[in-house]
Amino acid sequence: SQKIEQNSEALNIQEGKTATLTCNYTNYSPAYLQWYRQDPGRGPVFLLLIRENEKEKRKERLKVTFDTTLKQSLFHITASQPADSATYLCALLISSNTGKLIFGQGTTLQVKP
Amino acid sequence: DGGITQSPKYLFRKEGQNVTLSCEQNLNHDAMYWYRQDPGQGLRLIYYSQIVNDFQKGDIAEGYSVSREKKESFPLTVTSAQKNPTAFYLCASSPPGQLFYGYTFGSGTRLTVV
Repeated sequence: SQKIEQNSEALNIQEGKTATLTCNYTNYSPAYLQWYRQDPGRGPVFLLLIRENEKEKRKERLKVTFDTTLKQSLFHITASQPADSATYLCALLISSNTGKLIFGQGTTLQVKP
Repeated sequence: DGGITQSPKYLFRKEGQNVTLSCEQNLNHDAMYWYRQDPGQGLRLIYYSQIVNDFQKGDIAEGYSVSREKKESFPLTVTSAQKNPTAFYLCASSPPGQLFYGYTFGSGTRLTVV
């Protein structure tokens, strides 16, 4: 069966450290993978997109890697801040015709001062 | 400012009642989507629409209905046939050339059965 898995356990780190979140998938061949941030009671906000032929993408303190052999994406936040505390969702584009996204369940990050 | 407006923010439904969730966007996006989010689960696709007067079922369409009479509007009706409707409902849209952009989401509607 097709699955997207993110670490369901919350990630707690100290301010200033690098947070690393994992997204694994099976039985998909996505052309794109996206990462979103979701705050409690709010809709997700788009952060980054990485294509299957890209190994790494950066945006300010964010870095995403995409390994289609391992079927895994890693999402890094460097120099983390308490304001980075949120739930982070990965999403796969499974249909280029429809733009349909399949989402993981999200990993909650807590950055402590 | 452009964006997606969902209303109401909170909605309470009695057993056997149909309710309609509103989703309006002023981003001029062609595609619109409805997702359902339950605690500890990923977003699950209910319905999506790529153009006016056309829409397709997602993975969990049973008990739901939609319409797309205007580009800006994509309302979702939760019917009495939906046996477990309590959830957080999210509407999203994406622009032309959607492969290269993420979705824009609304703030969500929290539906509770009472």
